[in-house]
Amino acid sequence: GAGVSQSPSNKVTEKGKDVELRCDPISGHTALYWYRQRLGQGLEFLIYFQGNSAPDKSGLPSDRFSAERTGESVSTLTIQRTQQEDSAVYLCASSLAWHEQFFGPGTRLTVL
Amino acid sequence: GIQVEQSPPDLILQEGANSTLRCNFSDSVNNLQWFHQNPWGQLINLFYIPSGTKQNGRLSATTVATERYSLLYISSSQTTDSGVYFCAVGTQGGSEKLVFGKGTKLTVNP
Repeated sequence: GAGVSQSPSNKVTEKGKDVELRCDPISGHTALYWYRQRLGQGLEFLIYFQGNSAPDKSGLPSDRFSAERTGESVSTLTIQRTQQEDSAVYLCASSLAWHEQFFGPGTRLTVL
Repeated sequence: GIQVEQSPPDLILQEGANSTLRCNFSDSVNNLQWFHQNPWGQLINLFYIPSGTKQNGRLSATTVATERYSLLYISSSQTTDSGVYFCAVGTQGGSEKLVFGKGTKLTVNP
């Protein structure tokens, strides 16, 4: 079946602009995660959704970052007033509850 | 929070050689995954192995949860094995987020 998909694959924006990144999880996966990977680094957790439970937002780096998920479907990660330090690859993953996570191809964000 | 340490940070091999990558973690885990990140950035699932031993072709992995480490074995390495290998763990009692190590960068030369 189809894997996790993300769009856009690349996004170039100017400092101060807002951006929206989209993630479509694997059908039937109840859990969805966002991670960030800065150049040459490992992945950092941002936010986690599981069914109708309150999301775990403990990894969001500032209040400029927010995310939503519609039921057990698509999720959007929004970054307001982008800064140069927001430049990174943003990766989405999905899984069945308490099971193996599968990652999408990522969105490469460049803030000029 | 839990700490994840991978070693070695860099590894250079000749094609055909074998290698062992190590992942140490500082607390009990209920999830442990090994990934290969290819040169295009895609994370490829290798093993979901919170405990025990698994094999898939030239790759195998062992996690000894009681001693808080996992090993990834690569045999008869090929140039296509090049890339970064990440270990990531999830802990009990919290959300299902993964905590990643810094990775082992593997270069296989022809």
